[in-house]
Amino acid sequence: QVQLVQSGAEVKKPGASVKVSCKASGYTFTSYGISWVRQAPGQGLEWMGWISAYNGNTNYAQKLQGRVTMTTDTSTSTAYMELRSLRSDDTAVYYCARPVGATTDNWFDPWGQGTLVTVSS
Amino acid sequence: SYVLTQPPSVSVAPGKTARITCGGNNIGSKSVHWYQQKPGQAPVLVIYYDSDRPSGIPERFSGSNSGNTATLTISRVEAGDEADYYCQVWDSSSDPVVFGGGTKLTVL
Repeated sequence: QVQLVQSGAEVKKPGASVKVSCKASGYTFTSYGISWVRQAPGQGLEWMGWISAYNGNTNYAQKLQGRVTMTTDTSTSTAYMELRSLRSDDTAVYYCARPVGATTDNWFDPWGQGTLVTVSS
Repeated sequence: SYVLTQPPSVSVAPGKTARITCGGNNIGSKSVHWYQQKPGQAPVLVIYYDSDRPSGIPERFSGSNSGNTATLTISRVEAGDEADYYCQVWDSSSDPVVFGGGTKLTVL
């Protein structure tokens, strides 16, 4: 079955960087992109960006431009999201999700299990 | 940027029908997708393209979309339906994926 498995929880200090991985299985990795969505404690879902696993094209949320980098490793069917210059308000559960549907009308199915990133001094 | 508005909470008795709304400017011209998120779990797709159900989602879940409001309807509500529900659309702005703020469904 289609599955996305993410790396484990991280604790980082303000100003540091974090890199979260998302390993895909059960489908042809390069036929889809990967999106990243985060959820601060007790809050809603926030789209962070998207990467094409076919050609590496990316589209990042405006508020994260310059701090986020999304990459893929097609040899291992793994996507990565790196967030730099971490702040306390980056504390959140980070999800990867597979976009499905038309190029300009995606929904997400499935989602990874989530990775808790805690930013604290 | 495009804004989706959901009520923070909806309560319903078991066996009754729950309706969760998602408001947006002319949202009827967009496709709306819905996710269910139970505590401590990742979101799960329950409706896509306004009213289509993924395999494995009960027929009790249905959706509609017209004018300025999309609606997720859950018939014969069960205790296991208690969760947060999020609507989502694709917008042509610079941040193309937009989520509603979420609605907490409480089964009384």
